[in-house]
Order: sequence, then structure tokens, then C-alpha cells
Amino acid sequence: QQQVKQSPQSLIVQKGGISIINCAYENTAFDYFPWYQQFPGKGPALLIAIRPDVSEKKEGRFTISFNKSAKQFSLHIMDSQPGDSATYFCAATPLGGGTSYGKLTFGQGTILTVHP
Amino acid sequence: NAGVTQTPKFQVLKTGQSMTLQCAQDMNHNSMYWYRQDPGMGLRLIYYSASEGTTDKGEVPNGYNVSRLNKREFSLRLESAAPSQTSVYFCASEARPREQYFGPGTRLTVT
Repeated sequence: QQQVKQSPQSLIVQKGGISIINCAYENTAFDYFPWYQQFPGKGPALLIAIRPDVSEKKEGRFTISFNKSAKQFSLHIMDSQPGDSATYFCAATPLGGGTSYGKLTFGQGTILTVHP
Repeated sequence: NAGVTQTPKFQVLKTGQSMTLQCAQDMNHNSMYWYRQDPGMGLRLIYYSASEGTTDKGEVPNGYNVSRLNKREFSLRLESAAPSQTSVYFCASEARPREQYFGPGTRLTVT
């Protein structure tokens, strides 16, 4: 059962454009939503994360928008650059629950290509 | 600091062979994880270890075993490899809160 659905599967954007990747989740216990960036041949690296008590979080050119009622969240990359070309994964996990660890559930991934 | 290291980087096995994937972290993290990455499937959790001496199953544990040797090391063993286990395997360790650091991965092919 895929609890986090990510779209699109691939995305091509011109340099300077806006890249938008969407994720939807089912499990209402999820309350921490990170995005990971993965370059070819490398492991994923944490890019930005949000908790559901805010609707938006911005770090540089990267913004997460969160809609709790719709159970959806998205990553916006402003002024996209060729160096942003990578695979992006959304993920979700329960942050609370009394544990000191978290099992991430990942989306399927989006391959982003930014053309110069 | 090396972060999370994994060995080997590449491996080819024949069906039925066994092998152990090694993972070590030098960040003094308690929790460690093993994932597999397949095209169109994202990353799926195989096993995790919340702390030294404990391990638990994730989403896709069948065909795998793990050992948390000490706080630094968490190994993944394939007892009898199958073609369905062809994948890229990632180890991760976790700082609080929920921030996971991934190793560079092991590309495994089972023929």
C-alpha cells in the first residue's frame, strides 16, 4: 500500500522557471514531511522539511507548501537552475508517538531536468 | 567525519549466493535504517534499529536479516540471493528530529 503518492514522475523545466512537485498522503498520523534530493550515484540528502502547524516553509529558492485538510504538500523550486537537476523524493513520518526514531514513508520520486 | 559509509559499492551475485552489506556511521546516532531503491518505487524500508541491540522489520523484510553490531555498525545480510533483490541499497542513520543521513549506496545485481 503506497501511503505517499508523488507526481509527476518526471519534470522538465527551463532555466529560471518554477519547478513544482506534488505529494499526497493518506495516514493522518503523519506529522513531519521532509523532502530529499538525490543526485545520480549518490544517496538522498535532506533538502527541507515541514511540520503541519505551518502552511509554508521557505529556504532560499526552495519552498514547501502544506495543505493539512487536503492531505497534500508540494515542493516549489523558484528560479530553477541546471544544478537542481536531480531526483526529488517527498516523505512522511509520525513525529510524535513517544519514540525517538521515525520510519520514513517515501513517495515514488520525481526526476527533475532543468535545461540551460 | 565520514558520515555514513557503505561497502561494497557494487556487487554481482548469482542466485542462491549469500552476502553481507556493511554500514557504519560516525555521528553517534542511535537509530539506523536499511532501505532499497527501485525505479518508480521510491525508497522502501527493509529493517531498522532504534538503538544498539534492537532491530525491527520494515515494509519489505522478507529475504533479509540484519545485525546491529554496535552503535556504529548495522549490517544487512542476504542469505540466498534472488533476482528480485537486484536493487540499490541505502543505509541511513538518524539525528533528531527525524533527519536521516544516507550513505552512498550499494548497487546489487543478482543474476
